[in-house]
Amino acid sequence: GAVVSQHPSWVICKSGTSVKIECRSLDFQATTMFWYRQFPKQSLMLMATSNEGSKATYEQGVEKDKFLINHASLTLSTLTVTSAHPEDSSFYICSAQRTGNSPLHFGNGTRLTVT
Amino acid sequence: RKEVEQDPGPFNVPEGATVAFNCTYSNSASQSFFWYRQDCRKEPKLLMSVYSSGNEDGRFTAQLNRASQYISLLIRDSKLSDSATYLCAVSLYNQGGKLIFGQGTELSVKP
Repeated sequence: GAVVSQHPSWVICKSGTSVKIECRSLDFQATTMFWYRQFPKQSLMLMATSNEGSKATYEQGVEKDKFLINHASLTLSTLTVTSAHPEDSSFYICSAQRTGNSPLHFGNGTRLTVT
Repeated sequence: RKEVEQDPGPFNVPEGATVAFNCTYSNSASQSFFWYRQDCRKEPKLLMSVYSSGNEDGRFTAQLNRASQYISLLIRDSKLSDSATYLCAVSLYNQGGKLIFGQGTELSVKP
């Protein structure tokens, strides 16, 4: 099956620093990637939709200047959490899709802890 | 009101039991429906899509009731390895990849 890889799997950073998370589709070209965030005991909340070569579409309440998304190629999207704070500590998961009707493939997730 | 709602549980059942989860959705434009399984600190994995006529995959049966706007998942003959959180997810028409997840229902199968 298709594989989507996220890196890093976990990261601990100090408050005020920025963290970049990569999402790669390893064996297919993903026209669209999605970024989710999940707090403990809560559902996955969609943060933004990322289309290759265009600006990401952010969900209501998600600060686009804080969560920078770049989808520079058909196999790579990055999420940068800028000036991270402890409340940004969460599980960040990406998913990738070949075309609009293709199955979704999730990355393995990145656990971010901001101290 | 949340767009997709589930009873968070936990459901504690003995091995071999039959357990059912329900999930309600509020947007009548919802077009596609899924059940995912999520193990602790892992990404969700697709368990099964849910079709209008209902569908079965081994011990798992999913049903959709559009009129009442809910989907269900039935697990028969529960195994210890079924212990996980079960998430329902819906997507709107023409937004196939944009999933809206429920909170998840935690299942714990005991020996």
